[in-house]
Amino acid sequence: DTGVSQDPRHKITKRGQNVTFRCDPISEHNRLYWYRQTLGQGPEFLTYFQNEAQLEKSRLLSDRFSAERPKGSFSTLEIQRTEQGDSAMYLCASSPWGGADTEAFFGQGTRLTVV
Amino acid sequence: QQQVKQSPQSLIVQKGGISIINCAYENTAFDYFPWYQQFPGKGPALLIAIRPDVSEKKEGRFTISFNKSAKQFSLHIMDSQPGDSATYFCAASGGRAGSYQLTFGKGTKLSVIP
Repeated sequence: DTGVSQDPRHKITKRGQNVTFRCDPISEHNRLYWYRQTLGQGPEFLTYFQNEAQLEKSRLLSDRFSAERPKGSFSTLEIQRTEQGDSAMYLCASSPWGGADTEAFFGQGTRLTVV
Repeated sequence: QQQVKQSPQSLIVQKGGISIINCAYENTAFDYFPWYQQFPGKGPALLIAIRPDVSEKKEGRFTISFNKSAKQFSLHIMDSQPGDSATYFCAASGGRAGSYQLTFGKGTKLSVIP
């Protein structure tokens, strides 16, 4: 499969625990994005990488959130000391080099439930 | 501040009818306007997109109409089919150099009934 792959698909964790999600973008896509989607809402931008450089971060990305893309390939999103408000679908997307109108391809997301 | 406002929140259309979803944006620097389709349990998938230098774009049964002066754009689905039942999101991006983030509307849940 050559699409964006996210792992795990579902995660249930207790409040206060740390969680880490992984995203494998489409091969050779140098741009990678993380979005958060809560029930009944559109995806909200969290952060953006160009190769291994993190170029944009939303104010939604609090100090408890950290994202990495160490070799410009896969990326991880870690949430420390999870809170119930972190419950959401976390979506990863990737796109090839190009202008702002370059299509972003989304993965199926990781659904996080904090209990 | 919601930069892309989408309506209606939900829409029920008879099979064969026309589905119309509207969006309005505030940031005049936006220069790329895609529509995404999302099925339950799946990530959003690009349906059709438009740049502000054209007023309309058609791909099969899907048409985007764009009104730059009004800062509005809409999605028309002709001959709607039950398989079109999904949530549709308008989005916008562009503007300042290097900004590729998409700003999404809140979505429209479309139900096409036989």
